[in-house]
Amino acid sequence: QSALTQPPSASGSPGQSVTISCTGTSSDVGFYNYVSWYQQHPGKAPKLMIYEVTKRPSGVPDRFSGSKSGNTASLTVSGLQADDEADYYCSSYAGRNNLVFGGGTKLTVL
Amino acid sequence: EVQLVESGGGLVQPGRSLRLSCAASGFSFENSAMHWVRQAPGKGLEWVSGISWNSGSIDYGDSVKGRFTISRDNAKNSLYLQMDSLRAEDTAVYYCGKDKGVWVGGGIDYWGQGILVTVSS
Repeated sequence: QSALTQPPSASGSPGQSVTISCTGTSSDVGFYNYVSWYQQHPGKAPKLMIYEVTKRPSGVPDRFSGSKSGNTASLTVSGLQADDEADYYCSSYAGRNNLVFGGGTKLTVL
Repeated sequence: EVQLVESGGGLVQPGRSLRLSCAASGFSFENSAMHWVRQAPGKGLEWVSGISWNSGSIDYGDSVKGRFTISRDNAKNSLYLQMDSLRAEDTAVYYCGKDKGVWVGGGIDYWGQGILVTVSS
C-alpha cells in the first residue's frame, strides 16, 4: 500500500485555473475508476469534492472537475477563489477493500 | 442531517489499548460502508481501516494491521476501532467516515469532527 504521489504545493491567482495531479499505479488509480478528491481547510475535517474520478457531490461548485489518464488522476479548480486555498488529497480504491491516499497538496491562492 | 460523532480518544501509554466509537445518525447506517482515517499532527491523511455494510469485508492499512480491529453494530448505528499495542506513531486525529456505497471505495462523503489520540508515556 504505497501512498499516491501528489505535488506538495500548487498555486494560482484569483480567477485562474490550477490542476493538481495524483499518480498511482496500475493496481489502484490505473485499474479502478474510484478516485476521490478531498478539500481540507486548517483545523477542519476533509470534504469530498470529487468521487468516481469525475463526479461532483451535490453542493460542490462546477469549478471543480476531475479526470484520469492511465495511472494519473487530476483535479482542476477553475476560477480560483480565496476560499479554495486549502489542502487537497486524492484517494483511490486499491482492491481487496483497501483505500490509499495521496500525500496532499497545499493550494495557495496568490 | 448526517452526523458522525467520535468518542473514546485521549492520552494513553505506549503498549496500551484504546477503543474509539463513532455514533452515526441521519442516514441509513446499515447500508453504508464505513472507514477510519487518521491524520498525524502536521501530516496528511492516512487510511486506517474500512468495513462493508454487513461486516463481510474488512481490511486495514499496513501500519495498523494485526494491532487494530474495526467493527460495527448496525442495530446501534455505531462504528468502533479497537486499538491495541499502541505506539507513539499512532498519535493522530482519528476520523470516522461514511462511504458513498455499501462496499469500501465509493468515496467518503461524510466525516466526523475527529478525535485526538495521543500515545505517550
